[in-house]
Amino acid sequence: AQSVTQLDSHVSVSEGTPVLLRCNYSSSYSPSLFWYVQHPNKGLQLLLKYTSAATLVKGINGFEAEFKKSETSFHLTKPSAHMSDAAEYFCVVSDNPTSGTYKYIFGTGTRLKVLA
Amino acid sequence: EAQVTQNPRYLITVTGKKLTVTCSQNMNHEYMSWYRQDPGLGLRQIYYSMNVEVTDKGDVPEGYKVSRKEKRNFPLILESPSPNQTSLYFCASSPTILNYGYTFGSGTRLTVV
Repeated sequence: AQSVTQLDSHVSVSEGTPVLLRCNYSSSYSPSLFWYVQHPNKGLQLLLKYTSAATLVKGINGFEAEFKKSETSFHLTKPSAHMSDAAEYFCVVSDNPTSGTYKYIFGTGTRLKVLA
Repeated sequence: EAQVTQNPRYLITVTGKKLTVTCSQNMNHEYMSWYRQDPGLGLRQIYYSMNVEVTDKGDVPEGYKVSRKEKRNFPLILESPSPNQTSLYFCASSPTILNYGYTFGSGTRLTVV
């Protein structure tokens, strides 16, 4: 079965420093992978997605993620954090289409704190 | 504007009083889903629908019902709410499953007393 693990529940960075949010997945086939962001009291917004094209994916607000099959990872990065990046981030993997369950599987989230 | 609209945004109700949370999307998406979000548990899928009249259980369907009579609407029904259904609920839609990602609604914060 597919699964996704976000390795850090909380990450703190200083404004202007790089951001790294880690995500590992387990899949028996080639999955689609997504990152979502949730600002306080808001819905989830799609940041970026990987769907078997280029392994380095660029998203909105300067975020990007690299799909590494050998490491089963899909880490989210940003060169320079901004105060407005403070939010919760979710890594998501698509379920195996042959399983018949047709699901997205969510990680438990990483809360990013940006220090002034 | 392409969006998923949920109503109400906030709801306080009493145990046992039936309620419906509405969800509507204007993107002609085939796939719709309901999630609940609880601290420490992340998002858990309640029900999903592949298309009109096609629904299936997610991971936590107990105490909930859904229907999909029209493509745009996917209401969540709590026939007899209980305090353990106090949560933040999200409706989401996708053109089809798997490769597109979701568009989420803004959420409904439900409190059952």
